[in-house]
Amino acid sequence: AQSVTQLGSHVSVSEGALVLLRCNYSSSVPPYLFWYVQYPNQGLQLLLKYTSAATLVKGINGFEAEFKKSETSFHLTKPSAHMSDAAEYFCAVTWNNNAGNMLTFGGGTRLMVKP
Amino acid sequence: DTGVSQDPRHKITKRGQNVTFRCDPISEHNRLYWYRQTLGQGPEFLTYFQNEAQLEKSRLLSDRFSAERPKGSFSTLEIQRTEQGDSAMYLCANSLDRGNEQFFGPGTRLTVL
Repeated sequence: AQSVTQLGSHVSVSEGALVLLRCNYSSSVPPYLFWYVQYPNQGLQLLLKYTSAATLVKGINGFEAEFKKSETSFHLTKPSAHMSDAAEYFCAVTWNNNAGNMLTFGGGTRLMVKP
Repeated sequence: DTGVSQDPRHKITKRGQNVTFRCDPISEHNRLYWYRQTLGQGPEFLTYFQNEAQLEKSRLLSDRFSAERPKGSFSTLEIQRTEQGDSAMYLCANSLDRGNEQFFGPGTRLTVL
C-alpha cells in the first residue's frame, strides 16, 4: 500500500537553528509531494510542492525540500528557525496514476521553537 | 486566506442529532475534496467531486455521511445521527487540475457531546 511517514511527532529547535522535518513515502509510481503548515485552529497552508520538475524545491517563508528518489524521501528544511515557524507540519503525497489526486497525509510533526 | 470558505467554523451538537457543513470553493476550481482530521493526526480523505459528480468515497464515509455538490459550485457534507466518534475537524479543499496543489478552507470543528 502507498503511504507516507513523518519521523518524529515533535521537533524542538532553538531560534536561529536549522530546522529538519523528515518525510518518507512508499510508492511504486512517481509521486507528487507536498508540505503543508497548520497553525492552531486553522486550515492547511501550502509551503511547497514537488511535481517531477526540479528535485530541490523552494517554498514560502524560507523553507525548501529535496526529493530523493533513491531514499524515497522529501525532507523539509529551513536554515534558521524563527519563533513564527512554530506550527504543525504535514507531508502529503499523491500519485500520477491516481485520477482523483486525493492526498495521503503523514501524521504530522509539531515544530517548537525555543527563544 | 486561500479563498475557500467553510461554514460554520464551530459546531457543538448532541449525540444523535444531524449536522450539515458547507464549503464554498474558489470559483473555477472544479475539484473539491472533503477530509477529516482528528486531534493529533493528519487529515484523512473522505470524498471527492469533479464538478457536480461525486467520483470517489473513502471507506471512512459511513452510511450516515452524505455529500453533495449541486451545479458544481458549493458543497455540503451532512452527518446523520452523530456519534461522539464523529468529533473532528472537517476540511474542504479545492484544486484546479490533477497534480496541482489543493487549497484548504479553515475547517469546521465538530464536537459531539
